Amino acid sequence: EADIYQTPRYLVIGTGKKITLECSQTMGHDKMYWYQQDPGMELHLIHYSYGVNSTEKGDLSSESTVSRIRTEHFPLTLESARPSHTSQYLCASSENPSWEQYFGPGTRLTVT
Amino acid sequence: ELKVEQNPLFLSMQEGKNYTIYCNYSTTSDRLYWYRQDPGKSLESLFVLLSNGAVKQEGRLMASLDTKARLSTLHITAAVHDLSATYFCAVDRGDNTDKLIFGTGTRLQVFP
Repeated sequence: EADIYQTPRYLVIGTGKKITLECSQTMGHDKMYWYQQDPGMELHLIHYSYGVNSTEKGDLSSESTVSRIRTEHFPLTLESARPSHTSQYLCASSENPSWEQYFGPGTRLTVT
Repeated sequence: ELKVEQNPLFLSMQEGKNYTIYCNYSTTSDRLYWYRQDPGKSLESLFVLLSNGAVKQEGRLMASLDTKARLSTLHITAAVHDLSATYFCAVDRGDNTDKLIFGTGTRLQVFP
């Protein structure tokens, strides 16, 4: 069973606020990912990391930033939240490239 | 352009019936994944298909992969209400980046 955690699970915040979405995994996986998913739609990769101090942008342009200072921790930050950032954010991790990505429970963000 | 297309997008089926969900992709990858997502929840891994001709079964679900046709199928046998969910296929990009491209999802509803 995969152990990957995200906090908060739900967040309602006003425009212009800075927010950080937390993602942690206890499996020692090197690879971690952030996806954005609108309701009923497919997932879009916005950030990924191959290991400590390695981060890259994904396929979908995002105003968010990420950091990877520790293997187990991959937080996502929005410096100034906007209503267009309203979405679900899913964090995932994987170990071997032939194995599936394990997903966290997600953070549902609403920016008013 | 790398694309992953699923059909149908919506499927309403009666309990006890059989049906197949199709996943067509344009990458050159040999790795394909099926996930399940319940409403408002995260993604749960169902199957990992790593080679041409791979077939995996779990309960009433069976997945197969034809890399030559760039096609995967998810077959549902004798559907039950508990299978109601959205099913996503995801394909490795095939460029050694370990990034996945997700399909549009198939929303399955099983009714009595």
